[in-house]
Amino acid sequence: NAGVTQTPKFRILKIGQSMTLQCAQDMNHNYMYWYRQDPGMGLKLIYYSVGAGITDKGEVPNGYNVSRSTTEDFPLRLELAAPSQTSVYFCASSSGGSNQPQHFGDGTRLSIL
Amino acid sequence: QKEVEQNSGPLSVPEGAIASLNCTYSDRGSQSFFWYRQYSGKSPELIMFIYSNGDKEDGRFTAQLNKASQYVSLLIRDSQPSDSATYLCAAPGRTGRRALTFGSGTRLQVQP
Repeated sequence: NAGVTQTPKFRILKIGQSMTLQCAQDMNHNYMYWYRQDPGMGLKLIYYSVGAGITDKGEVPNGYNVSRSTTEDFPLRLELAAPSQTSVYFCASSSGGSNQPQHFGDGTRLSIL
Repeated sequence: QKEVEQNSGPLSVPEGAIASLNCTYSDRGSQSFFWYRQYSGKSPELIMFIYSNGDKEDGRFTAQLNKASQYVSLLIRDSQPSDSATYLCAAPGRTGRRALTFGSGTRLQVQP
């Protein structure tokens, strides 16, 4: 019962470094999402995808990039890490749009120092 | 006006009491609403969803939807210390109904 799998679980980056957060789902869901959650705050949508080859910006896309080459995978790339990107990142998937529940991965806790 | 609004709390209730969590939304066309529970340091977990006006019950949880007043609530009966968590309300957001918008969450504390 894997569901949505995120790697790594924790990471510390230096300012200016780059990295890719991995997300994979095995539920054959078309919709996938990336959120960030700052301490004591709600979830903010970074990017989402409605299917392989289709991505779109969410509420806070600056500083991030995504790709969706397969149904299963939806990686999130940080090109030039900044302290403001210190956060917990959650990937989610759903079988439909906003009428279907989203299933979340366990998250990646990222610190930029 | 925020799309989905919740009181941040904390809401403190004694063990065994009813906890009432509220959420208002701005998009009158929203058709579906979700409640997620998030324990500290963990990911959100779906506990209820509701599509129609009225009440929906699942065990100790009841979701209530009032589309005319644009609010959705979650009642937790016989509250337990293990219910202590942050509860997130979610509704369709700006993305042409392709994604959910989450409220900032209400922190619930159940006192033993």
